[in-house]
Amino acid sequence: EVQLLESGGGLIQPGGSLRLSCGASGFTISSYAMSWVRQAPEKGLEWVSSISANGANTYLTDSVKGRFIISRDNSKNTVYLEMNWLRAEDTAVYFCAKYYGDYVYDPFSAWGHGTLVTVSS
Amino acid sequence: DIVMTQSPDSLAVSLGERATINCKSSQSLLYILNNKNYLTWYQQKPGQPPKLLIYWASTRASGVPDRFSGSGSGTDFTLTISSLQAEDVAVYYCQQCSSFPLTFGGGTKVEI
Repeated sequence: EVQLLESGGGLIQPGGSLRLSCGASGFTISSYAMSWVRQAPEKGLEWVSSISANGANTYLTDSVKGRFIISRDNSKNTVYLEMNWLRAEDTAVYFCAKYYGDYVYDPFSAWGHGTLVTVSS
Repeated sequence: DIVMTQSPDSLAVSLGERATINCKSSQSLLYILNNKNYLTWYQQKPGQPPKLLIYWASTRASGVPDRFSGSGSGTDFTLTISSLQAEDVAVYYCQQCSSFPLTFGGGTKVEI
């Protein structure tokens, strides 16, 4: 069974940093592109970042460019989202998502349950 | 950026009746070389992560009941639930995966 487990969320002050992790089980992430999607409280879904299967290509939404970095360690079956210079508007549940295949224009075929990031003083 | 506009924002449907959700993109999502529309539908129930329903506009994901269907091409798409069941109460999102940044519609809340 495909499972994604996010961790690393919490309460952080504005300007602080966090690193989210997404541990995968039931499949080998090296064959799949991966992504992070967030959802602010009582709001809709917002794509944040994607990474190709081999990690060579990464994509970020404009509002996090220069602050967030997506990476992956295929040997650990884990994807990461390093978040720096956090702002109040980054407050959200962050979901890890597995692509349908290795193509970054595929749909997201599986999602984790998310980890909550709260940016507040 | 491609803007995704869903309508309505919410709808109430009786059990067994049809529910129709519309999604419009600001640019065509049809890729001519493979004739695929890069439009995906997700279902999100309260307190749960989204679940893949329909991809490439009309392909049902594994395990999705056949009362769910997707249609449309280019810029106009529709998700139809042919006979609403109680377990279908959720928010439904369309998403374009044609170009970055990937974008979602605002969601449609379906209630009984």
